[in-house]
Amino acid sequence: GNSVTQMEGPVTLSEEAFLTINCTYTATGYPSLFWYVQYPGEGLQLLLKATKADDKGSNKGFEATYRKETTSFHLEKGSVQVSDSAVYFCALSAADGNNRKLIWGLGTSLAVNP
Amino acid sequence: EPEVTQTPSHQVTQMGQEVILRCVPISNHLYFYWYRQILGQKVEFLVSFYNNEISEKSEIFDDQFSVERPDGSNFTLKIRSTKLEDSAMYFCASRLAGGHEQYFGPGTRLTVT
Repeated sequence: GNSVTQMEGPVTLSEEAFLTINCTYTATGYPSLFWYVQYPGEGLQLLLKATKADDKGSNKGFEATYRKETTSFHLEKGSVQVSDSAVYFCALSAADGNNRKLIWGLGTSLAVNP
Repeated sequence: EPEVTQTPSHQVTQMGQEVILRCVPISNHLYFYWYRQILGQKVEFLVSFYNNEISEKSEIFDDQFSVERPDGSNFTLKIRSTKLEDSAMYFCASRLAGGHEQYFGPGTRLTVT
């Protein structure tokens, strides 16, 4: 079945450090891939998406590239800020059918210190 | 910018009681979803809804759960007889036909005592 594996947290970085959060997936066909972010006490916000192989999603300085050959969708940011402290979720929606329910990774907690 | 809304933000109920969680999806969206997140754990799919019927449900979505779109705007999740293990954050989401991304509401925190 479909599944998402994320690197375990928590991740603690200093401000302006480089961030990578690894995400790999198992799926049939060509799923769509997403990163969602959950700030403390808030809901789930779409951060970025990619819907086909080699697509790069980007938003707010974050990037992730859909790599079919390695079944990965790693999240990166060149210089993190304190305001990036949140939990980051990698998710996929299956390619088959119209339902497109989201399958989620466990989430990675990021803490950025000034 | 249109957004998904959910009410209440926090619901406390006693075990065995019925609860109804309400959602107003984005107006031109046609696919609706409920997910839940038990504190500190992963987000789990509960049910998807399209064209006034359930299109898929998970193993979690047993006979105690039901969904309804009673009018043109609301989308509700009912739990008939709550259990302690139903305590979680419940998120509603909606999606455009043909769209890939789902837009989430702020969630309802359900506490069963």
